[in-house]
Amino acid sequence: EAGVAQSPRYKIIEKRQSVAFWCNPISGHATLYWYQQILGQGPKLLIQFQNNGVVDDSQLPKDRFSAERLKGVDSTLKIQPAKLEDSAVYLCASSRWGYEQYFGPGTRLTVT
Amino acid sequence: SQQGEEDPQALSIQEGENATMNCSYKTSINNLQWYRQNSGRGLVHLILIRSNEREKHSGRLRVTLDTSKKSSSLLITASRAADTASYFCATDELGNQFYFGTGTSLTVIP
Repeated sequence: EAGVAQSPRYKIIEKRQSVAFWCNPISGHATLYWYQQILGQGPKLLIQFQNNGVVDDSQLPKDRFSAERLKGVDSTLKIQPAKLEDSAVYLCASSRWGYEQYFGPGTRLTVT
Repeated sequence: SQQGEEDPQALSIQEGENATMNCSYKTSINNLQWYRQNSGRGLVHLILIRSNEREKHSGRLRVTLDTSKKSSSLLITASRAADTASYFCATDELGNQFYFGTGTSLTVIP
């Protein structure tokens, strides 16, 4: 079974620029998660989708972050405009509802 | 934000010894999960324990859950150098909010 795919793997941008990340979950997984992991910390959930509906986005900075999951499969996470403190690894995960999550390799974002 | 807290933050042991790490959380949960993250790599699921379970085993891993104390422990027996990693607990809270803890950094010395 193919794992969770993410792209790009690395991204360097200047502050105030925009950036987008893409995630393709494991086939058949209705639940998709985006996390932000700052170096030395645990992952922080940004948004959780069930199919193409949002279950939880309470920790998503909605003034600059947005996410969508069209057709309940692929998902994109966008940051506009980026700030220095957005430098982190952005992780995508998918699961069947109520089961363990499978993580992608992540996108390492550096904002300069 | 509500998160589990792992204890200790860092642990260093000799190969062959057992490693125990603990997780405390704040609210009622559907299940609690443990994940491993090797340096610079992605997260890998280790074990999931549901709120109506008290203990679960998987290979050299043993997880306990005490919902009355809102705590869980992960025991790794006969540790190996390859077990060196950060270990996170994650809680699937009622209301389906999902939180990771702060992690325990385990170093196994060959």
